[in-house]
Amino acid sequence: EIVLTQSPTTLSLSPGERATLSCRASQSINIYLGWYQQKPGQAPRLLIYDASNRATGIPARFSGSGSGTDFTLTISSLEPEDFAVYYCQQHSNWPPRITFGQGTRLEIK
Amino acid sequence: EVQLLESGGGLVRRGGSLRLSCEVSGFTFSNYAMSWVRQAPGRGLEWVSSIFGSGAGTYYADSVKGRFTISRDNSKNTLYLQMSTLRAEDTAIYYCAKQPGSGSVLYWYFDVWGRGTLVTVSS
Repeated sequence: EIVLTQSPTTLSLSPGERATLSCRASQSINIYLGWYQQKPGQAPRLLIYDASNRATGIPARFSGSGSGTDFTLTISSLEPEDFAVYYCQQHSNWPPRITFGQGTRLEIK
Repeated sequence: EVQLLESGGGLVRRGGSLRLSCEVSGFTFSNYAMSWVRQAPGRGLEWVSSIFGSGAGTYYADSVKGRFTISRDNSKNTLYLQMSTLRAEDTAIYYCAKQPGSGSVLYWYFDVWGRGTLVTVSS
């Protein structure tokens, strides 16, 4: 099973600041990585797929990068609604063995 | 508007069975692969199972293989998850999720989610 390790566990920032979240895979997953945002009491929302493609309706301040084993989600300037938990997810195996990272909590400083 | 509505959750004894349903609207259901993803209380996300739009291919996490069965009825726009031999560790919110892409283009991500249904397994 491919393990995804997210860092940091918690990130404390202020609105307007830049957020950088990391996700490392235990083996190469090419570009097959997505990012989700989850707010309390809500279902997750897809932000990024295939490492760097924004999903429909996602603001341009969200961007993804990386390939192989190291990936980054960047939020260029934090808005109040961006404070949430973020998960990465991979799907590089066949048949699919989809796994998620343990999450990064982005909190207001 | 695309909508996914789960139902069927509840309290069940360890070793028991439960069937979850997910009724969808707003898109051509048979064109899209669908999945179940769960989240234990206060924990992260765990993929459970996926099924192709035609129903021809089904895939499971090792933690549920042999105990859970995913299926769909495209005439009813409904996805199912039959769960048996339930364990305490199956306690979670179960989300129904749509996968993007259709036809020969299939993405193993989840672009639309339901609100979830809570399954609690008592010991």
